[in-house]
Amino acid sequence: NAGVTQTPKFQVLKTGQSMTLQCAQDMNHEYMSWYRQDPGMGLRLIHYSVGAGITDQGEVPNGYNVSRSTTEDFPLRLLSAAPSQTSVYFCASSPLANSPLHFGNGTRLTVT
Amino acid sequence: GENVEQHPSTLSVQEGDSAVIKCTYSDSASNYFPWYKQELGKRPQLIIDIRSNVGEKKDQRIAVTLNKTAKHFSLHITETQPEDSAVYFCAASKGAGSYQLTFGKGTKLSVIP
Repeated sequence: NAGVTQTPKFQVLKTGQSMTLQCAQDMNHEYMSWYRQDPGMGLRLIHYSVGAGITDQGEVPNGYNVSRSTTEDFPLRLLSAAPSQTSVYFCASSPLANSPLHFGNGTRLTVT
Repeated sequence: GENVEQHPSTLSVQEGDSAVIKCTYSDSASNYFPWYKQELGKRPQLIIDIRSNVGEKKDQRIAVTLNKTAKHFSLHITETQPEDSAVYFCAASKGAGSYQLTFGKGTKLSVIP
């Protein structure tokens, strides 16, 4: 199993550009989520999904969209990038409630 | 919503000493408490977790204790080694039976040889 795969690893955007961060898992996990990690702020939940066709907002959803058309994929879309979205983004999945999250390797995004 | 406070934010210990990191949470319905270790430039990885029906759990040099009454839980690392140097995050489930986790802000542990 590859686990949780994120692409790209690095990305530089200009203010106002849009892009999609990809996340795929091959463990048949129902739950998938996106976190952003900023220095001194820990991991903050952006959006999450408990199954195909179901998504919901986390703690910091503004400026981001998600969709879950299949169990495997959970892309994160930045609609109009802003410098405040410069961060490291982690996708994570888990099979059950109250079970460990499996993280991808992260995407480092810089918005200039 | 759930709020998780983690202390200290930085911790330096001599190799061989013990390290303790403490977290408090606000939602009395939370029932799952994992700890993650993140090495520089890497993804967070689970090192130990505990559920609310257990007061303590050990795995070799690592232990976690949970006090549900006081709403706090702690990570204990004994006989620290240089490879224990990393950032450690605690987390709490957002209520009972929830997939969502709320993370603390992290503790940077440095083990001095």
